[in-house]
Amino acid sequence: DAKTTQPTSMDCAEGRAANLPCNHSTISGNEYVYWYRQIHSQGPQYIIHGLKNNETNEMASLIITEDRKSSTLILPHATLRDTAVYYCIVRPTTYNQGGKLIFGQGTELSVKP
Amino acid sequence: SAVISQKPSRDICQRGTSLTIQCQVDSQVTMMFWYRQQPGQSLTLIATANQGSEATYESGFVIDKFPISRPNLTFSTLTVSNMSPEDSSIYLCSVSHRGWGGELFFGEGSRLTVL
Repeated sequence: DAKTTQPTSMDCAEGRAANLPCNHSTISGNEYVYWYRQIHSQGPQYIIHGLKNNETNEMASLIITEDRKSSTLILPHATLRDTAVYYCIVRPTTYNQGGKLIFGQGTELSVKP
Repeated sequence: SAVISQKPSRDICQRGTSLTIQCQVDSQVTMMFWYRQQPGQSLTLIATANQGSEATYESGFVIDKFPISRPNLTFSTLTVSNMSPEDSSIYLCSVSHRGWGGELFFGEGSRLTVL
């Protein structure tokens, strides 16, 4: 069973920030939040992950609430190439606890001119 | 990171036949996984390919239908056996490695159409 809930779809204007929410109210203390995206006809691409602190890299920022029950992926300046399905996934921190990713349905983000 | 090559990239097959999909990685990796993505759907994990031993299958997937091999740390195959139109999907290989921070990298997928 997917352990996350995301909106089915969202729109964003080109050049504006895209804020993608994710609920993970049953997250365990040893689970990270991972974000991947899948551009049409391609394999999924890693974006970012975090445990409890906010994280930022060259692609995006991840904001995790203090209770860790929800998070938001922020694309600061969305472009048309950011149109994709975005997946929020929780998984154990320890490498030996599986390594696998279980995907939910994701959010289909459409960036419009 | 890793460069993952899958072959074939796409194929059209007849009902009742079998097809083997290959996954080649440009470096040794600890873990390899096979996923299925049916049309318009999210990814579903089929199994973890274990080097030198039998694969670990997820609920709903069995070895007779999806036999998997992993002879070394850079290569794996997935066979889709006795195919039916319901097996028409994209099959994706993904890999991870100790020290990569838990990231998984994915191939571009093999698009299978069963007539």
